[in-house]
Amino acid sequence: DTEVTQTPKHLVMGMTNKKSLKCEQHMGHRAMYWYKQKAKKPPELMFVYSYEKLSINESVPSRFSPECPNSSLLNLHLHALQPEDSALYLCASSPGDRTWNTEAFFGQGTRLTVV
Amino acid sequence: AQTVTQSQPEMSVQEAETVTLSCTYDTSESDYYLFWYKQPPSRQMILVIRQEAYKQQNATENRFSVNFQKAAKSFSLKISDSQLGDAAMYFCAPRNSGTYKYIFGTGTRLKVLA
Repeated sequence: DTEVTQTPKHLVMGMTNKKSLKCEQHMGHRAMYWYKQKAKKPPELMFVYSYEKLSINESVPSRFSPECPNSSLLNLHLHALQPEDSALYLCASSPGDRTWNTEAFFGQGTRLTVV
Repeated sequence: AQTVTQSQPEMSVQEAETVTLSCTYDTSESDYYLFWYKQPPSRQMILVIRQEAYKQQNATENRFSVNFQKAAKSFSLKISDSQLGDAAMYFCAPRNSGTYKYIFGTGTRLKVLA
């Protein structure tokens, strides 16, 4: 199983809503990532978890709150978002065991629209 | 600072022909890895090929190969016998040894003409 599964695939939310994005992998990977991708742009790193601990936070606004409940799951909690937060949110995972020559495996993303 | 440059926003190639996409990685690091990803309209990033900076030999994976010029910090992706299914955005994404970060270039949109 080399899949990273993201749910939901599409999400429309109001600026006062609270919602969560979910990501799951069963490859035994210990590093998990959230990226944000705007149209026709490259993915921008948001967060990295390594062994369930937050390793990198790229100065992301607090309205985005990541959570890694266990080694297979990664959540992104959303609250009070702005329309400019509308984007494709990609989850990825990699082995995380210092095998730096390995690629990250990506999910299909959640297309988020903030209205 | 480390900079990834993909100087071709868009490229076109005739089916069955060969195309080369450029990528340069300006870094002072000597131990790093370079990944080429493809993102079709389905949105999912798919690994195309990887190149290790310490290896002299260029990576090859079926119709895809890397032309690695270490001194120039250049990692071009060559696609031979282009197929309609190759149409996608292509990103090069280096990763320094010892870091979890993959740094994405700005991407090249490849169109394949029938």
